[in-house]
Amino acid sequence: EDQVTQSPEALRLQEGESSSLNCSYTVSGLRGLFWYRQDPGKGPEFLFTLYSAGEEKEKERLKATLTKKESFLHITAPKPEDSATYLCAVYPPSSNYQLIWGAGTKLIIKP
Amino acid sequence: DGGITQSPKYLFRKEGQNVTLSCEQNLNHDAMYWYRQDPGQGLRLIYYSQIVNDFQKGDIAEGYSVSREKKESFPLTVTSAQKNPTAFYLCASSDPGTGNRAQHFGDGTRLSIL
Repeated sequence: EDQVTQSPEALRLQEGESSSLNCSYTVSGLRGLFWYRQDPGKGPEFLFTLYSAGEEKEKERLKATLTKKESFLHITAPKPEDSATYLCAVYPPSSNYQLIWGAGTKLIIKP
Repeated sequence: DGGITQSPKYLFRKEGQNVTLSCEQNLNHDAMYWYRQDPGQGLRLIYYSQIVNDFQKGDIAEGYSVSREKKESFPLTVTSAQKNPTAFYLCASSDPGTGNRAQHFGDGTRLSIL
């Protein structure tokens, strides 16, 4: 069964303390992996799409990377405004339109 | 600005009542989706529509119904048959014709039981 697992469930960091969030998947031959940011009471906001192992995308303090089994969202020198839940989703070859979603990592950055 | 508008932001349902959640997009996207989000779980797909006048059930369609009479509109009805409707409901759209499967979301409707 295709699955997406995100870890950790929650992560507390001090402002400026860099770290990484993990998204592992069991899908073979995925056709895309997506990262989103979700603030409380809001819809997910699209961040990145990755298509192939070795690919990297960057936006401000965030960098997403992809291997054949997992993706990392690296956050460098985070600020309190980076606090949010980060969601990962994959587009499997067996699907026409459906994505498989992870449960998310709640990131808290303390000033 | 192009985007997805969901209304209302908060909705309360009485026992035995059907309620309808609105979703409108001006992104000119062909595909639209409804998800349910519960604490600690990933997004679960209720229904999706690839084109006007066509829609398919997702993983948890029981107790829900949809229509797609216009490209920009995809309303979701939560029927009285849905016994546990309390959740955060998210509408999304995508433009698969471009080859990009990324979905773009509205800001959700929170449904509660009175």
